[in-house]
Amino acid sequence: GDSVTQMEGPVTLSEEAFLTINCTYTATGYPSLFWYVQYPGEGLQLLLKATKADDKGSNKGFEATYRKETTSFHLEKGSVQVSDSAVYFCALRYNFGNEKLTFGTGTRLTIIP
Amino acid sequence: DGGITQSPKYLFRKEGQNVTLSCEQNLNHDAMYWYRQDPGQGLRLIYYSQIVNDFQKGDIAEGYSVSREKKESFPLTVTSAQKNPTAFYLCASSIAQGKASGRGSYNEQFFGPGTRLTVL
Repeated sequence: GDSVTQMEGPVTLSEEAFLTINCTYTATGYPSLFWYVQYPGEGLQLLLKATKADDKGSNKGFEATYRKETTSFHLEKGSVQVSDSAVYFCALRYNFGNEKLTFGTGTRLTIIP
Repeated sequence: DGGITQSPKYLFRKEGQNVTLSCEQNLNHDAMYWYRQDPGQGLRLIYYSQIVNDFQKGDIAEGYSVSREKKESFPLTVTSAQKNPTAFYLCASSIAQGKASGRGSYNEQFFGPGTRLTVL
């Protein structure tokens, strides 16, 4: 079945460091891919998405490119801030049929000043 | 402001008791979902509903029940049959498939703030 694999956390970085959180997927079709962010004590918020191969999603300085050849959707940010501390989830979903989102296990990110 | 509300934020129950978690949305969304979040695991789908009076089991429906009598409400009951009910529960909603504007691409799921259930 479909699955999403994220790099193990937790990840701790200094402010202004470069961030990469790896995400790879296994899917039988051609899903859309997403990154969600969960701040402490809150629900999930959609951070960015890409609906087809080679699309780049971007938001709040974060970027991720849908790479069909490597089945990856790595999250990157050039200069992180303390306010980026959160748990990040990679997920996939098909555009038609089942509405279900399949999530990775989440990566906890802590940014220290 | 439109959004999704879940109540209560924290819930404590004794083992063997049924408990119902509330989820309400005023976004006029047709589809609603319940997820369970456990430490070190991603979110897992419990139940979802695409229209009123209809719902489908997700990946981990055993020990749970839902109802969808109104478009705005999708309560989740955690029954005594759920063997490990302590978890963080998240409700979400979205425009139903086929109603999105443009090319019918992804209908974003909006999440509520969650309810943390602890069974003592």
